[in-house]
Amino acid sequence: RKEVEQDPGPFNVPEGATVAFNCTYSNSASQSFFWYRQDCRKEPKLLMSVYSSGNEDGRFTAQLNRASQYISLLIRDSKLSDSATYLCVVKGNTGKLIFGQGTTLQVKP
Amino acid sequence: AAGVIQSPRHLIKEKRETATLKCYPIPRHDTVYWYQQGPGQDPQFLISFYEKMQSDKGSIPDRFSAQQFSDYHSELNMSSLELGDSALYFCASSLEGRLDMNTEAFFGQGTRLTVV
Repeated sequence: RKEVEQDPGPFNVPEGATVAFNCTYSNSASQSFFWYRQDCRKEPKLLMSVYSSGNEDGRFTAQLNRASQYISLLIRDSKLSDSATYLCVVKGNTGKLIFGQGTTLQVKP
Repeated sequence: AAGVIQSPRHLIKEKRETATLKCYPIPRHDTVYWYQQGPGQDPQFLISFYEKMQSDKGSIPDRFSAQQFSDYHSELNMSSLELGDSALYFCASSLEGRLDMNTEAFFGQGTRLTVV
């Protein structure tokens, strides 16, 4: 079992749709949580950190449930440019970043 | 703003050759991570350094070694290359000095290694 698990998708949604991605992690000692976005053959880019109280950045909302060891990302009003792979990343107490396998999003016109 | 710089961007090597990948972290970042990403795979952690000392080790083969130098740049040395080593190699850096920070890591553009 992977330490960080995501549904790989693909999620195919129309423009304007709301889509949610989930992620679970196995190490309860994990310290920090992030969502990264990766476009094909490019480097992962930080989308947002995930805070215990939940946080929002424009159309993106991230939630953390430490008790269930669960992280989510909600994208509202999807744009064509949101098409990418979304990586759930967990940082353990040694500082190592552990990646989920990524969830592929395709936004269609 | 300065980002993480990796060189070279592309590298083609033959089996059993050696390769050296370089990473220049964001200025004042004290931690460097190396990741390997095969086609269709998620990035796999290889090794990390904090303040020039190895801080964690992942699935790095014995044929690979890495170090972080006094100027904080890091090099990943790969010997006896195999076809299966063909992948994208990413370096990331972060500032871990303050334990109370939810510190993000920023990635370089990667080195695409092809072993033929």
